[in-house]
Amino acid sequence: GENVEQHPSTLSVQEGDSAVIKCTYSDSASNYFPWYKQELGKRPQLIIDIRSNVGEKKDQRIAVTLNKTAKHFSLHITETQPEDSAVYFCAAGGDLTGGGNKLTFGTGTQLKVEL
Amino acid sequence: NAGVTQTPKFRVLKTGQSMTLLCAQDMNHEYMYWYRQDPGMGLRLIHYSVGEGTTAKGEVPDGYNVSRLKKQNFLLGLESAAPSQTSVYFCASTYGGDGVEQFFGPGTRLTVL
Repeated sequence: GENVEQHPSTLSVQEGDSAVIKCTYSDSASNYFPWYKQELGKRPQLIIDIRSNVGEKKDQRIAVTLNKTAKHFSLHITETQPEDSAVYFCAAGGDLTGGGNKLTFGTGTQLKVEL
Repeated sequence: NAGVTQTPKFRVLKTGQSMTLLCAQDMNHEYMYWYRQDPGMGLRLIHYSVGEGTTAKGEVPDGYNVSRLKKQNFLLGLESAAPSQTSVYFCASTYGGDGVEQFFGPGTRLTVL
């Protein structure tokens, strides 16, 4: 089955700096790579995702890059703000019949943005 | 729309007791999933369903059973709870087709003593 590794497990940055979280996956059949943000005591929420036919995707201060050959993908957050502090999870997965997907999650990165 | 809801929010069981967790979604989603979240281990897939009347095993299915008798509901059962099943359980759903985002419920915190 799929195996997803995520690094670092904790990341502390100063407000305004950039943060980068990296993930690797093992199954070359995986074609969908979402990133979820989870605040303390809350549910995970999708912040950005990318398909394997795209190398990079950006949404305001958040971007994701994918290197399918090397089987790794990264989340980039620029101009970090205190409200970016949370746990971030990467995931990798493939399509199920009919269009749904089955995801394997990384172990999470605790991001702390310090003032 | 309420989105994805889970019942109960918290529960404490004794070893050997049974219980059922209910997940409900009002978005007409085809696909539903049960995950468990443990510290340092991320989210792990227990079981999932690709439509009404179907279920399939995920990464960590042992000790759990599921049923999807109605499209909007996905039940997770623990027949004989063990302390190793102490966790936060999340349900998620996705529409299918072009809609691939998994929407999560608020979670159920289960403690098995």
